[in-house]
Amino acid sequence: GAGVSQTPSNKVTEKGKYVELRCDPISGHTALYWYRQSLGQGPEFLIYFQGTGAADDSGLPNDRFFAVRPEGSVSTLKIQRTERGDSAVYLCASSIGQGPGELFFGEGSRLTVL
Amino acid sequence: QKEVEQNSGPLSVPEGAIASLNCTYSDRGSQSFFWYRQYSGKSPELIMSIYSNGDKEDGRFTAQLNKASQYVSLLIRDSQPSDSATYLCASSGAGSYQLTFGKGTKLSVIP
Repeated sequence: GAGVSQTPSNKVTEKGKYVELRCDPISGHTALYWYRQSLGQGPEFLIYFQGTGAADDSGLPNDRFFAVRPEGSVSTLKIQRTERGDSAVYLCASSIGQGPGELFFGEGSRLTVL
Repeated sequence: QKEVEQNSGPLSVPEGAIASLNCTYSDRGSQSFFWYRQYSGKSPELIMSIYSNGDKEDGRFTAQLNKASQYVSLLIRDSQPSDSATYLCASSGAGSYQLTFGKGTKLSVIP
């Protein structure tokens, strides 16, 4: 399809394990965002890429979280030493990069840390 | 700490009525405002953006912005059961690509 694609849709892992979540944005969209959403909350900003570089990573909660976008298209969010508090839906969004809010979201990756 | 506040609801309206959703924001530097709709178990989708004071209409939807009062609202006319969803208000500051979201208001349109 032509939308934002995220894999896996569901991931269950054990505390302390390493996790990678992948996002394939809409073709031609230069801006890519990661948000996370906990139950009953609005999405919370994590990181924003313009092209290959992280233009704003101020939302990453700590150094266990890292994201890359090496070729300016697909992005991977990496979480080391997962904790139960990391459980959430991780949402990826892309836009044509003309403004901050006209985002197209993927269906999310639901992460459960046991 | 930038905050966007919304009444969590649920807000129940009969089919055909006007639904009024409200949002306040704390950061006076906020420049851009957005309403996203999120169906249960789905991802948010943009329905309206507004950047200047006043009203902006798009079909059955009207967004209203009052920067002096730090207030944003969304009116849905002729509400339909298919409008039942959580509505998320979001803002961003000048030069920022971060969105700050509220917790959302759950709307239920009763047939």
